[in-house]
Amino acid sequence: EAGVVQSPRYKIIEKKQPVAFWCNPISGHNTLYWYRQNLGQGPELLIRYENEEAVDDSQLPKDRFSAERLKGVDSTLKIQPAELGDSAVYLCASSLSNTLQDTDTQYFGPGTRLTVL
Amino acid sequence: AQRVTQPEKLLSVFKGAPVELKCNYSYSGSPELFWYVQYSRQRLQLLLRHISRESIKGFTADLNKGETSFHLKKPFAQEEDSAMYYCALIQRSARQLTFGSGTQLTVLP
Repeated sequence: EAGVVQSPRYKIIEKKQPVAFWCNPISGHNTLYWYRQNLGQGPELLIRYENEEAVDDSQLPKDRFSAERLKGVDSTLKIQPAELGDSAVYLCASSLSNTLQDTDTQYFGPGTRLTVL
Repeated sequence: AQRVTQPEKLLSVFKGAPVELKCNYSYSGSPELFWYVQYSRQRLQLLLRHISRESIKGFTADLNKGETSFHLKKPFAQEEDSAMYYCALIQRSARQLTFGSGTQLTVLP
């Protein structure tokens, strides 16, 4: 089992350029999360998917960030255009259950380290 | 709003000494608390959750609702315990994890 897979692992771009991150969750996991982790801070949730539906995107800066999980499996997070303050590690996580009664363990990917110059 | 506070950015102890990583939270409902760990060059992973009441790698954590704390403890630290530790809280209905800012633990030989 490879766990949660993310690519690329590192990305360096100039400001105003677009960038996309890809995540493949653990097989069978219905719930997928995107987090952003700024230097010296803990991860902060950007968006949560239950299958293909975005059920919590309140923390996603919608003017420049977008995400999709079209078939309810892998997901893409996009930033367009990127700003200097977007430099961070972007983490993807997945969990098994989509029931409201259960708080399943979230399994994290290795993250994508984004540097905006 | 829910919040998790880890007051120590850095913590160093000698091998064999007891270690306690502090975590305080603010949340109006009934929280579920976790400790996550990130070893060097590895991904973030769950260490333990309060609901399980188990000891993992010699670590324990007790939820103290009166003091709104969930401190992580180990009686005898080992060098391999050196890592970044994050305390986290989840709101049961929303299932949104809120993380503290982390404590970097270094166990000295």
